[in-house]
Amino acid sequence: SYVLTQSPSVSVAPGQTVKITCTGNNFGKKAVNWYLQKPGQAPVLVVYDDSVRPSGIAERFSGSNSADTATLSISSVEAVDEADYFCQVWDAENEHPLFGGGTKLTVL
Amino acid sequence: EVQLVQSGAEVKKSGESLKISCKGSGYEFTSYWIGWVRQKPGKGLEWIGLIYTGDSDTKYSPAFQGQVTISADKSIDIAYLQWGSLTASDTATYYCVRPLSRWGNFPAYWGRGSLVIVSS
Repeated sequence: SYVLTQSPSVSVAPGQTVKITCTGNNFGKKAVNWYLQKPGQAPVLVVYDDSVRPSGIAERFSGSNSADTATLSISSVEAVDEADYFCQVWDAENEHPLFGGGTKLTVL
Repeated sequence: EVQLVQSGAEVKKSGESLKISCKGSGYEFTSYWIGWVRQKPGKGLEWIGLIYTGDSDTKYSPAFQGQVTISADKSIDIAYLQWGSLTASDTATYYCVRPLSRWGNFPAYWGRGSLVIVSS
């Protein structure tokens, strides 16, 4: 079955740029979506279709997708960006959304 | 404004049944599927399944097929997730979700979650 792999954690200093990656087979053919989740809250969609930001999401969030790796970039990182980040694609074999394991972003 | 309002936290015992709800508002309920996502404490997101609210057709993730039942009452714009016999492993927060567009295949709107605690 299809598997999405994310690094468990990443840390960054305030004001820097962080890249959170998600890997899977033949990624370039799949649309990747990204969510952030803060403790005790529901996930929030921050990027969809690889690189589109929903309304209300800061321009600091951007996404890209290559053959095997999708990347969520957050520029000028702020303390409020500290959260878990999940990637997601459509699992065509099982006909349902599939989530990566999540990456915990720590702002130093 | 699209809203998904979920029922409150539940504390149950193993073997008991449970039905949690998700009320959609701010949009045409029967035009969008409603899905359910499980999150165990400290863990990631797992897709349970969805219901096409227009005709009540359901599709389940293989891991949850036969373990839960998804239904909806379109007369009151509510979707449900239910268990016939809970076990301790069902302890989790359950989110209902809706796609961005009618033909969308990813969760865009999320309810706040319903915490289910099952004691053995």
